[in-house]
Amino acid sequence: DVKVTQSSRYLVKRTGEKVFLECVQDMDHENMFWYRQDPGLGLRLIYFSYDVKMKEKGDIPEGYSVSREKKERFSLILESASTNQTSMYLCASSIRHWRGRGAFFGQGTRLTVV
Amino acid sequence: EDKVVQSPLSLVVHEGDTVTLNCSYEVTNFRSLLWYKQEKKAPTFLFMLTSSGIEKKSGRLSSILDKKELFSILNITATQTGDSAIYLCAVINNAGNMLTFGGGTRLMVKP
Repeated sequence: DVKVTQSSRYLVKRTGEKVFLECVQDMDHENMFWYRQDPGLGLRLIYFSYDVKMKEKGDIPEGYSVSREKKERFSLILESASTNQTSMYLCASSIRHWRGRGAFFGQGTRLTVV
Repeated sequence: EDKVVQSPLSLVVHEGDTVTLNCSYEVTNFRSLLWYKQEKKAPTFLFMLTSSGIEKKSGRLSSILDKKELFSILNITATQTGDSAIYLCAVINNAGNMLTFGGGTRLMVKP
């Protein structure tokens, strides 16, 4: 089975801190995604990557950056955490051309910024 | 800007009822539409629909896509309390590297 692992289930950080959320997948997937999920707003795409060192902005990239130095790992970085970044963060991966399969999600990281 | 809209926002039914969840989309370069079920944790994949008019089934769940009218429905028959979840619809763009989600439908099935 595909496994997408997010490094932390729960995180509490202070305003202004630099925060790293890590995501690792073990199925050699080309595509990786970072979403945030907020009540009433669904899943919103922050960034995605379709290859090592490649990244594209999603719908809400402001305040975030990403890094993909290795194919299996996609990191989301909050340069200076703010309270409005308190949310559930979900990482996902997929093969490049999908071929009838969906994206696979990690278990999520619930981040609270105080 | 790509847009995916789900309705209703939430739904409460009793066990044994049949429900229909809706997903409409406005997407440039549409490739496929996905349905996910999300309980407490990560969304789990249900269906991928690429061709219009072909129903996909898995047990009591079924789904169909209409590419002319730009929507999909997810049907659940004989609902059970274990069907209670958020159901998410998402659309893949033609390049296959962008997945846009709708806001989800929260389904609650009462015993």
